[in-house]
Amino acid sequence: DAGVIQSPRHEVTEMGQEVTLRCKPISGHNSLFWYRQTMMRGLELLIYFNNNVPIDDSGMPEDRFSAKMPNASFSTLKIQPSEPRDSAVYFCASRPGRRDTDGYTFGSGTRLTVV
Amino acid sequence: AQSVTQLDSHVSVSEGTPVLLRCNYSSSYSPSLFWYVQHPNKGLQLLLKYTSAATLVKGINGFEAEFKKSETSFHLTKPSAHMSDAAEYFCVVPRQGAQKLVFGQGTRLTINP
Repeated sequence: DAGVIQSPRHEVTEMGQEVTLRCKPISGHNSLFWYRQTMMRGLELLIYFNNNVPIDDSGMPEDRFSAKMPNASFSTLKIQPSEPRDSAVYFCASRPGRRDTDGYTFGSGTRLTVV
Repeated sequence: AQSVTQLDSHVSVSEGTPVLLRCNYSSSYSPSLFWYVQHPNKGLQLLLKYTSAATLVKGINGFEAEFKKSETSFHLTKPSAHMSDAAEYFCVVPRQGAQKLVFGQGTRLTINP
């Protein structure tokens, strides 16, 4: 099991450009989460999918952010247009079922720098 | 609402000495609790989890934590620190009904040779 796979590991882009972050969850996991980590705000949940359906996107900061999960093995987080304040580490996590006690597995993250 | 407070932002110990990372939780019911570790430029790895089965939980890399309801605590301990333990540690509680993990502020553990 390769775990949760995120790409790219690092992304540097100019303000105004579109950025797409990718995530492949663990096979068989039904729930997928996107988190953002910054020094100021720590780890924040952006959006949560269950069985490929977005359940809670209340953490998405603004309309510039969008996330999709077209199938059980792939999800994207898109920022368009990007801004310097979007610079952060973005983590994807997956979980086997709907219970919190099932345990979350995190990917290694994508470090985004917007200049 | 559920929350966790990590009492120390930074802990420094010498190699071979015990480690204690403190976490207090706030919840109206008996929650699940987790400890995650994040090594520099790495993702988050689950160290251990409490799910009401046993109050003393053993995790990976020699870590363990004890759930104490009377003290609303879930402190992380290790008898003997190793250099490879240097990392950021997060105490985490799931927010009931929200499918959301609530992270503590993190404790940075430094190991001195």
